[in-house]
Amino acid sequence: QKEVEQNSGPLSVPEGAIASLNCTYSDRVSQSFFWYRQYSGKSPELIMSIYSNGDKEDGRFTAQLNKASQYVSLLIRDSQPSDSATYLCAGGEGGGADGLTFGKGTHLIIQP
Amino acid sequence: NAGVMQNPRHLVRRRGQEARLRCSPMKGHSHVYWYRQLPEEGLKFMVYLQKENIIDESGMPKERFSAEFPKEGPSILRIQQVVRGDSAAYFCASSPLDNTYEQYFGPGTRLTVT
Repeated sequence: QKEVEQNSGPLSVPEGAIASLNCTYSDRVSQSFFWYRQYSGKSPELIMSIYSNGDKEDGRFTAQLNKASQYVSLLIRDSQPSDSATYLCAGGEGGGADGLTFGKGTHLIIQP
Repeated sequence: NAGVMQNPRHLVRRRGQEARLRCSPMKGHSHVYWYRQLPEEGLKFMVYLQKENIIDESGMPKERFSAEFPKEGPSILRIQQVVRGDSAAYFCASSPLDNTYEQYFGPGTRLTVT
């Protein structure tokens, strides 16, 4: 059974700084990873997907994957108060469509 | 483009009643997934369906829960004889046929069992 672990936080970051969110997983055969943002009372919103080792950048967001260390991270540059939310890390087994295993999320607070 | 649609958004049922939750995937998406989020818990995968087929139901409780995705119409998650522990947010997600496997979530149905 694959596990996805995240520090629940809260993680407090001043506005304009870089927020760093981390995630580890226990199954060596996981192929795909996703970061979602969830505001309180709302549904998860896909931010980034990453499938191969290295970095992937999209605007202010950078996802990093290290399969040897079983580690996934999300960096948010120039943090804004609107980035305050819970960030969910998720992994998919195999290389195809399947149900995702989610971590419990990290609560991020951006302090103005 | 319309996103994933779910209805109802809020559903109140008494213990012992049936709950039916509906999900229409995004246009062009053929994979549907159901997840449950209990208060203070993470999202848990329940079932993965394609049209007329259940692909993976490893996360579904063995009793009272069923899901379908008929050839025509929305996917339905059915909970029979609801109990208070079924109170949760139920999310549907869909993904396209391409090889990104990115899943996009609907707004969810908040089920309250009284």
